[in-house]
Amino acid sequence: AQKVTQAQTEISVVEKEDVTLDCVYETRDTTYYLFWYKQPPSGELVFLIRRNSFDEQNEISGRYSWNFQKSTSSFNFTITASQVVDSAVYFCALSVRLYNFNKFYFGSGTKLNVKP
Amino acid sequence: DAGITQSPRHKVTETGTPVTLRCHQTENHRYMYWYRQDPGHGLRLIHYSYGVKDTDKGEVSDGYSVSRSKTEDFLLTLESATSSQTSVYFCAISRTSGGDTQYFGPGTRLTVL
Repeated sequence: AQKVTQAQTEISVVEKEDVTLDCVYETRDTTYYLFWYKQPPSGELVFLIRRNSFDEQNEISGRYSWNFQKSTSSFNFTITASQVVDSAVYFCALSVRLYNFNKFYFGSGTKLNVKP
Repeated sequence: DAGITQSPRHKVTETGTPVTLRCHQTENHRYMYWYRQDPGHGLRLIHYSYGVKDTDKGEVSDGYSVSRSKTEDFLLTLESATSSQTSVYFCAISRTSGGDTQYFGPGTRLTVL
């Protein structure tokens, strides 16, 4: 069975603090994909990053970085020097092959509050 | 940003009435999906389409039907709306199914009274 766990329901930080959002996934498939999406208060879902199971290289994009560790089945997301605009709900997702398409399994989300 | 629009963006309806939500894309992507988002449940797949007139059920398909007569349009119909179908509905698209990124539309907030 596939599953994504985001144990942190809500996190509050003060602006300029670093924050890490945890994501733990479960799958027996050897080929899979991991994603992070951001849902700001306006409600849309914004794609942030995609990783395949064969690429464990960490990635940095500006203030955002992602740490993918297959050994612990984790795909954690760190925001450095957080800003108020980072306040949103962040979803981690796992994509695996199911019949004729790749099904997405979403975590329940982590709400990040960045206070000025 | 992927060209995905949803209409209507907000709708209030009464129990027992039929409702149709529309998703329109300008990306010519083959795959389209309908999700619902509810507190405590995250995003759950209702139906998906892998081509014109090719659709299949997701994990919460009861009470919903879909149609895709053109590549760019994917319709979600609630034949007889119930209060349990009050939710935010998102359409998504992907170019292929092989682990491609799904891009989401802006969402439709549906309230069934």
